[in-house]
Amino acid sequence: QITLKESGPTLVKPTQTLTLTCTFSGFSLSSSGVGVGWIRQPPGRALEWLSLIYWDDDKRYSPSLKDRLTITKDTAENQVVLTMTNVDPVDTATYYCAREIYSNVDYWGQGTLVTVSS
Amino acid sequence: DIQVTQSPSSLSASLGDRVTITCRTSQPISRFLNWYQHKPGKAPKVLINSASILQRGVPSRFSGSGSGTDFTLTISSLQPDDFATYYCQHSYGTPWTFGRGTRVEMK
Repeated sequence: QITLKESGPTLVKPTQTLTLTCTFSGFSLSSSGVGVGWIRQPPGRALEWLSLIYWDDDKRYSPSLKDRLTITKDTAENQVVLTMTNVDPVDTATYYCAREIYSNVDYWGQGTLVTVSS
Repeated sequence: DIQVTQSPSSLSASLGDRVTITCRTSQPISRFLNWYQHKPGKAPKVLINSASILQRGVPSRFSGSGSGTDFTLTISSLQPDDFATYYCQHSYGTPWTFGRGTRVEMK
């Protein structure tokens, strides 16, 4: 059974760094063709792709956010970590992680709501 | 970036109705198009990969079609569990982009 679960703070102050962890099970991020990505959805707004890391450590970032994002993986711990620097209230959103396998996105976590507020 | 235009943004339908949702991409993406069902507070549920491949466990009343730039999700006979928001998303490389969603409501 494949599952993904996001974790991290629920409240972050403006200018701080947000660190989110995606813990998954049922697959390995060392398997060829596998990637784990991050997506967010601000309240009442559209889904926005943020970043993706592949089994071979290839990393991709949203062009509009690439200067603020870092994605890493811990294959042994089955985790992918996303950090976002200098957060702003517009970064308030539900953050999801999802699995991609050979260009098919097939499983998502249930998301974690992050509020940016002083 | 590849733009994804989804329509309609919302629709009202009755149980048993046939429902069709469309997505158009700004450039050809072969068949790298996924469809999701999303309910509040839950993980988005993947319905269809590669434009037309039904995910395991998804009822057969859901179907997808299309290739290139034009894609369709069809619910052949709307059931109570189907009232939700539906999204399309391309995975033809990164950045992934999503349609803005179609909210399916009860008439």
